[in-house]
Amino acid sequence: QKEVEQDPGPLSVPEGAIVSLNCTYSNSAFQYFMWYRQYSRKGPELLMYTYSSGNKEDGRFTAQVDKSSKYISLFIRDSQPSDSATYLCAMNSYGGSQGNLIFGKGTKLSVKP
Amino acid sequence: DTEVTQTPKHLVMGMTNKKSLKCEQHMGHRAMYWYKQKAKKPPELMFVYSYEKLSINESVPSRFSPECPNSSLLNLHLHALQPEDSALYLCASSRPLLAGGTDTQYFGPGTRLTVL
Repeated sequence: QKEVEQDPGPLSVPEGAIVSLNCTYSNSAFQYFMWYRQYSRKGPELLMYTYSSGNKEDGRFTAQVDKSSKYISLFIRDSQPSDSATYLCAMNSYGGSQGNLIFGKGTKLSVKP
Repeated sequence: DTEVTQTPKHLVMGMTNKKSLKCEQHMGHRAMYWYKQKAKKPPELMFVYSYEKLSINESVPSRFSPECPNSSLLNLHLHALQPEDSALYLCASSRPLLAGGTDTQYFGPGTRLTVL
């Protein structure tokens, strides 16, 4: 079983839809959870960062962490064509090796006008 | 300012060439990273520098040689590369946490490398 599982998609939605992106993980030691957005041929851009369980909201984006289920989600409200990108979840553990950031494979999202 | 800059944006090199990739950040971060990313794959960690010292080398071939001349700069020296080394090379930086581990990593835009 891979440490982090993420459906690669592609996921295609109409403009204005609510998008739900998810990752599951197996290592209960993970405590830091991140979502990155990566446009084609660009570097990943940090979108959301949460520590431990709970929700975090930033504009149209909401990140949720459920440590009991080892499940994290990113919700995008009122999706726009400019949200079309690959979304990578990433996580690591407190006290872990420096740089030990474990990525999901990324979900490719396409928002159609 | 959460910017990590990388130069050059694109690089084409032959298998006998020597070239260098450069990365710079002015966020005061003391951990810096090199990643390699192939198409449709997540970034793959190559090297980690913490307080200007190499702390992780993920069994990367010696044709890749990292260097951290100061707390703001990170280089990756390339020599005798193979065509399969063609990829997007990403630099990232973060604050190291006191008890180990790493805070959020901020990525640069990457250098797209093509080896002929």
